[in-house]
Amino acid sequence: EIVMTQSPATLSVSPGERATLSCRASQSVRTNLAWYQQKPGQAPRLLIYGASTRATGVPARVSGSGSGTEFTLTISSLQSEDFAVYYCQQYYNWPPYTFGQGTKVEIK
Amino acid sequence: EVQLVESGGGLVKPGGSLRLSCVASGSTFSTYSMTWVRQAPGRGLEWVSSISGTTGYIYYADSVKGRFTISRENAMNSVYLQMNSLRAEDTAVYYCARGYTLRDAFDIWGQGTMVTVSS
Repeated sequence: EIVMTQSPATLSVSPGERATLSCRASQSVRTNLAWYQQKPGQAPRLLIYGASTRATGVPARVSGSGSGTEFTLTISSLQSEDFAVYYCQQYYNWPPYTFGQGTKVEIK
Repeated sequence: EVQLVESGGGLVKPGGSLRLSCVASGSTFSTYSMTWVRQAPGRGLEWVSSISGTTGYIYYADSVKGRFTISRENAMNSVYLQMNSLRAEDTAVYYCARGYTLRDAFDIWGQGTMVTVSS
């Protein structure tokens, strides 16, 4: 089973600042890596797939990078709607599909 | 716009059973893989089970294997999760999610249905 590890657990950022979230896989997942955003009381929403491709409707300030075992989600200028929990997920070696434990982006 | 709507959650005693349903809008349901993901209160996301579109491949997490059964009825645009021998640790919000294939990310999610296992 591939273990996904996200850091940090919580990120405190001021509106307008950049947020950088990390995700590490215990073995290579190539670029079969997705990022999801989840707000309180809501379902997860796909942001990024293929490590760097934005899903439909995702703003350009959100970007993903990386391959193999190291991945990054960057939000270039945080807006109020970006404060949420973010999960990475690998879909390269399954079952099981595995998620990271999440990074909470909170207002500083 | 494709939507997924889950139903069937509720309160059940340990050892009991529950059947979750997920209905999709749209006419191409049969070509997509469908997955159930759960989230225990205050916890992260955990993959539960997936079923391919038309080829019949089915997969389960070890934590539910032998107790849960996933199935789909393409004519009804529906996927189901039959949950037997429920345990307290199965308490969670259960989401259904869609993928183009089993090799893809989950692009559409339902709003979730809460399952509580308690005496």
